[in-house]
Amino acid sequence: DVKVTQSSRYLVKRTGEKVFLECVQDMDHENMFWYRQDPGLGLRLIYFSYDVKMKEKGDIPEGYSVSREKKERFSLILESASTNQTSMYLCASSPQGAGAFFGQGTRLTVV
Amino acid sequence: DQQVKQNSPSLSVQEGRISILNCDYTNSMFDYFLWYKKYPAEGPTFLISISSIKDKNEDGRFTVFLNKSAKHLSLHIVPSQPGDSAVYFCAASDRGRLGGADGLTFGKGTHLIIQP
Repeated sequence: DVKVTQSSRYLVKRTGEKVFLECVQDMDHENMFWYRQDPGLGLRLIYFSYDVKMKEKGDIPEGYSVSREKKERFSLILESASTNQTSMYLCASSPQGAGAFFGQGTRLTVV
Repeated sequence: DQQVKQNSPSLSVQEGRISILNCDYTNSMFDYFLWYKKYPAEGPTFLISISSIKDKNEDGRFTVFLNKSAKHLSLHIVPSQPGDSAVYFCAASDRGRLGGADGLTFGKGTHLIIQP
């Protein structure tokens, strides 16, 4: 079974803090993604990566950056957390041409 | 501009009956479609997919139908069970573009409630 693991289930951070969300997958997938899920908005793509050290902006990249130094790990960085970044963050991975497998999600609250 | 639309935010179905969830898309380049199920505070779980070269795919109680001319797909669950109560997301991919590496486009979800 594919396993996508996010480092935290729940996080509470203060406005202005730098926040790191970590994601690891164990299936040697080329592609990795970060989405956020908000009520009434569905899942929106923040960033994606199709290879080590490669990163591309998704639909809502503002306020975020990412890092992919190793194939299995994809990190999402909030440079200066703001209250409008309170959300459920979902990491996913996929092999080429197939659907995505998701982690369990990180519920981030910025106060 | 929403490329994948799920027009029903919620749907209530009696246990044992058929649940039909609908999804429309606007991008004619989409060639791969998926359904995900999501419980609160968990990540989405893949349910079933269909390639644009097919019009039906079946897996146990779940069947997905694709009507390319109408740009419409639907998920049928029969018989519906209490554990099916969840939010269902429709998603689409253009695999001709970066092999689908640029992610899935999701609808906003439909909350399915199975009544006992």
